[in-house]
Amino acid sequence: EVQLVESGGGLVQPGGSLRLSCAASGFTFSNYWMSWVRQAPGKGLEWVANIKQDGSEKYYVDSVKGRFTISRDNAKNSLYLQMNSLRAEDTAVYYCARYCTNGVCSYRLFDYWGQGTLVTVSS
Amino acid sequence: DIQMTQSPSSLSASVGDRVTITCRASQDISNFLAWFQQKPGKAPKSLIYAASSLQSGVPSKFSGSGSGTDFTLTISSLQAEDFATYYCQQSNSYPITFGGGTKVEIK
Repeated sequence: EVQLVESGGGLVQPGGSLRLSCAASGFTFSNYWMSWVRQAPGKGLEWVANIKQDGSEKYYVDSVKGRFTISRDNAKNSLYLQMNSLRAEDTAVYYCARYCTNGVCSYRLFDYWGQGTLVTVSS
Repeated sequence: DIQMTQSPSSLSASVGDRVTITCRASQDISNFLAWFQQKPGKAPKSLIYAASSLQSGVPSKFSGSGSGTDFTLTISSLQAEDFATYYCQQSNSYPITFGGGTKVEIK
């Protein structure tokens, strides 16, 4: 059974930093692109970042470029999101998702999601 | 960036109703379109990928259609467990973008 478990969320002051983690199990982690998607309270879904299987390609939404860094450790079956210079507008539930695409799937899909971890940026 | 516009933003329907939700892309996205269902306090669940393919384990009352810029999600006979918010999402190009969501409520 595919499982994605996020951790690391919490309350942080504006300008602060936080590192989110996502522990993956139930599939061969190194075969899949992985993603972070967020959802501000009462709002819709917003894609944040993608990372390729070997970490050689990374993509970000413009609003987090230069502040957030997605990374992975295939030996530990783990995905990370380092968030720096946090702003109030970064307050959201952050979901880790498996992105099934090139090399594994003939289509592109966030096919499995974690339960999310809440990040609150406030003084 | 590709904008995804869903309509309606909310709807009220009764158990047994046929429901259709529309999603329009601001440019051609071929069939790189997925649909998700989200219930309050829960993670999104994938329903449809490649515009019309049913994700494994999803009941056949859900169906998707369209290509290019115009897409639809249809629920053939609404049941109590289907009351939720539905999102479309394009993966044709970065940044990946979602529609604003359609909340399906009980009439």
